[in-house]
Amino acid sequence: AQTIHQWPVAEIKAVGSPLSLGCTIKGKSSPNLYWYWQATGGTLQQLFYSITVGQVESVVQLNLSASRPKDDQFILSTEKLLLSHSGFYLCAWSLPRGQDTQYFGPGTRLLVL
Amino acid sequence: GDQVEQSPSALSLHEGTGSALRCNFTTTMRAVQWFRKNSRGSLINLFYLASGTKENGRLKSAFDSKERYSTLHIRDAQLEDSGTYFCAAEGGTNTGKLTFGDGTVLTVKP
Repeated sequence: AQTIHQWPVAEIKAVGSPLSLGCTIKGKSSPNLYWYWQATGGTLQQLFYSITVGQVESVVQLNLSASRPKDDQFILSTEKLLLSHSGFYLCAWSLPRGQDTQYFGPGTRLLVL
Repeated sequence: GDQVEQSPSALSLHEGTGSALRCNFTTTMRAVQWFRKNSRGSLINLFYLASGTKENGRLKSAFDSKERYSTLHIRDAQLEDSGTYFCAAEGGTNTGKLTFGDGTVLTVKP
């Protein structure tokens, strides 16, 4: 069975500090991977997607970056957090053929102060 | 860009009754997913449709790409159905980008 993990569960960070959020998918080879973000009271929106190791496409510019160092790992990061980065971050995966169900991880809640 | 208009924003039902949620799309979408938010804020998959209808228990969903809408019907609502439901549509790009509706808060009352 496929499992998707995200870490950390929650984080409180200072403005200007770096951030690294992780996502791991087990039990599925070469999945498509996605990062989504929801500001408090806002709508969930896609930030990045990746169809293979080392390849990441940006969908929305939020002064964040993403990387896929391994087939089953997706990292979201920034060197300098902004207050506006607060919110809920979700990682998702789908089958590599695309146009298929996306399955979401448990999420990471981020508060930037 | 693609937009998804979800209605109603809130819905109150008595146990045993039913109703429908609807999402309208401003452009042609290739597929739609329906989710329910869990207690942590993550999303539980309910349906994925590229066309037609699907049914699972007391839930039934339909998607009409040409008419640009999707519905989620709930029948015989139970207290445990209370929660927030989202639709998300996949547009014509190859990004797998889902555009989400704003959600419907469903409250089922005894």
